[in-house]
Amino acid sequence: ETGVTQSPTHLIKTRGQQVTLRCSSQSGHNTVSWYQQALGQGPQFIFQYYREEENGRGNFPPRFSGLQFPNYSSELNVNALELDDSALYLCASSLGAGEYFGPGTRLTVT
Amino acid sequence: QKEVEQDPGPLSVPEGAIVSLNCTYSNSAFQYFMWYRQYSRKGPELLMYTYSSGNKEDGRFTAQVDKSSKYISLFIRDSQPSDSATYLCAMKRNYGGSQGNLIFGKGTKLSVKP
Repeated sequence: ETGVTQSPTHLIKTRGQQVTLRCSSQSGHNTVSWYQQALGQGPQFIFQYYREEENGRGNFPPRFSGLQFPNYSSELNVNALELDDSALYLCASSLGAGEYFGPGTRLTVT
Repeated sequence: QKEVEQDPGPLSVPEGAIVSLNCTYSNSAFQYFMWYRQYSRKGPELLMYTYSSGNKEDGRFTAQVDKSSKYISLFIRDSQPSDSATYLCAMKRNYGGSQGNLIFGKGTKLSVKP
């Protein structure tokens, strides 16, 4: 167990809706990153937050946004959901080089 | 050309075999090299990471990095059925700052048969 938790575990949304996913970092970790993992693929970097500021972003459109809170927990928000957004969304926390992942949230968009 | 290439397998071996998993990469700026294990429908678990070139051993697992060839390997000795999972290589240029994200391979699916 890494100490990184994510909620919810699963959810089903309809195309065009909005979704918020949550992540609680491992104690003491001040950096959180979000990744999207499609079936049969490696995780793809969405963005990273360090001390409540966005610290890097991958090739994802602006409808993917996030927040990090003073306790280092984090949210990922996705607006105007598309069918291709169906994936496992992973949160990873880190203090140094190693990134420690939570169990993920499986999002299905119908 | 993708930044990180990994043969997706599947790879099937008998229990007790030595397993060799490999990745190649194209970006010479990568400095941190990770191996993750992912069971079905779970999050990736960090097995080990190395900085720059060299070897690192942890129990039955050995990671090797050859930066001159842009090639990394993970060896699993005395493989067990519980090692059956997808193994992901990942690497990053730095940590902290805007270059601190992981670039993953597609993962290799390993099955260890009793």
